[in-house]
Amino acid sequence: DTEVTQTPKHLVMGMTNKKSLKCEQHMGHRAMYWYKQKAKKPPELMFVYSYEKLSINESVPSRFSPECPNSSLLNLHLHALQPEDSALYLCASSQVQGGQETQYFGPGTRLLVL
Amino acid sequence: GQNIDQPTEMTATEGAIVQINCTYQTSGFNGLFWYQQHAGEAPTFLSYNVLDGLEEKGRFSSFLSRSKGYSYLLLKELQMKDSASYLCAVRKSGNTGKLIFGQGTTLQVKP
Repeated sequence: DTEVTQTPKHLVMGMTNKKSLKCEQHMGHRAMYWYKQKAKKPPELMFVYSYEKLSINESVPSRFSPECPNSSLLNLHLHALQPEDSALYLCASSQVQGGQETQYFGPGTRLLVL
Repeated sequence: GQNIDQPTEMTATEGAIVQINCTYQTSGFNGLFWYQQHAGEAPTFLSYNVLDGLEEKGRFSSFLSRSKGYSYLLLKELQMKDSASYLCAVRKSGNTGKLIFGQGTTLQVKP
């Protein structure tokens, strides 16, 4: 099983709304990530959780708030977003085994902020 | 500083072989990933190289030379479904899994 799942697949929200994106993996990976991807651009790292602790925050605005309730789940809480935050939000997880690293992405949540 | 370069676009013929190059300059290196991304979909993991040499997986192979800061992805027996964007990403040392992505190479496979 190399699956990372994300919900919802699509989300439309107003600038005053509060919503959450959810990510789940059952591969036993101890590192999980949030990326943001705009059209025709590569993914940009937002946050990294390692063993359920936030290890990297790439200077992301506070209107994005990550949470890692347990080793299988990762949430991204959204509040007071701007239209320029519209993008594909990708969750990923990774592990190193036998010197080989794998990092798998979920299908993403396509977010539109109106 | 950090810089990852890939060609923006490539075109190849169905059944042929294509090589997508990636050069990198990063402060700290701990492996290089290749991903395939079809339009509107998430990136799909293809390969990971941390040691010099060639890794082969079916029709796809990936090569790394750390001394030259160079990698390539080799796609054999091209199929129409291989038309996609191919992303090269460097994992930096000292950071938990942080990947720096290149801008991606859009490959178009023609009949």
